[in-house]
Amino acid sequence: GQNIDQPTEMTATEGAIVQINCTYQTSGFNGLFWYQQHAGEAPTFLSYNVLDGLEEKGRFSSFLSRSKGYSYLLLKELQMKDSASYLCAVRDGNYQLIWGAGTKLIIKP
Amino acid sequence: EAGVAQSPRYKIIEKRQSVAFWCNPISGHATLYWYQQILGQGPKLLIQFQNNGVVDDSQLPKDRFSAERLKGVDSTLKIQPAKLEDSAVYLCASSPGRQDQETQYFGPGTRLLVL
Repeated sequence: GQNIDQPTEMTATEGAIVQINCTYQTSGFNGLFWYQQHAGEAPTFLSYNVLDGLEEKGRFSSFLSRSKGYSYLLLKELQMKDSASYLCAVRDGNYQLIWGAGTKLIIKP
Repeated sequence: EAGVAQSPRYKIIEKRQSVAFWCNPISGHATLYWYQQILGQGPKLLIQFQNNGVVDDSQLPKDRFSAERLKGVDSTLKIQPAKLEDSAVYLCASSPGRQDQETQYFGPGTRLLVL
């Protein structure tokens, strides 16, 4: 079967750095997405990786290793507004998007 | 550019009643998705349309759920009759429809409570 694993919840301090990991097992691979979802709101697109390596976008970076079936989302200079759930999703060999359950990130002052 | 529109935003019904949700995707987006998201879980795909054709409805409970996108633009998702376990947020998303541009853009969702 196809599977996406992420930690259920993480806690970090304002101003610090946090890394949210995602491991996946899918039938084929055509890209990995990270979405941010604030409580009670819809997911919003953060990043997309299809090749190995690091993609940087401001305070957020996303890394992919296809051989290891692994990605992480790195958030720097954490702000209170970064408190949200972070969803990892993988597009499989049939171009269908498989979603993880999300990681709830709690930022403390 | 206008985003994905959904209505209603909230709906409370009793079990065994019927309910319908509406979605208007981003203009020009060929692909439309309906998701069910239960609190604390990731989105679960119910149905995917490419223009007015169904691409994937493998996880749609067809005995009670139906969806249509007759003109290949807006879409309606219906539940008839509703069960308690249908309480969830129903998200609509759209994407351009090209495999190299498949970032999905979500609407605000409809929060359904079945009593």
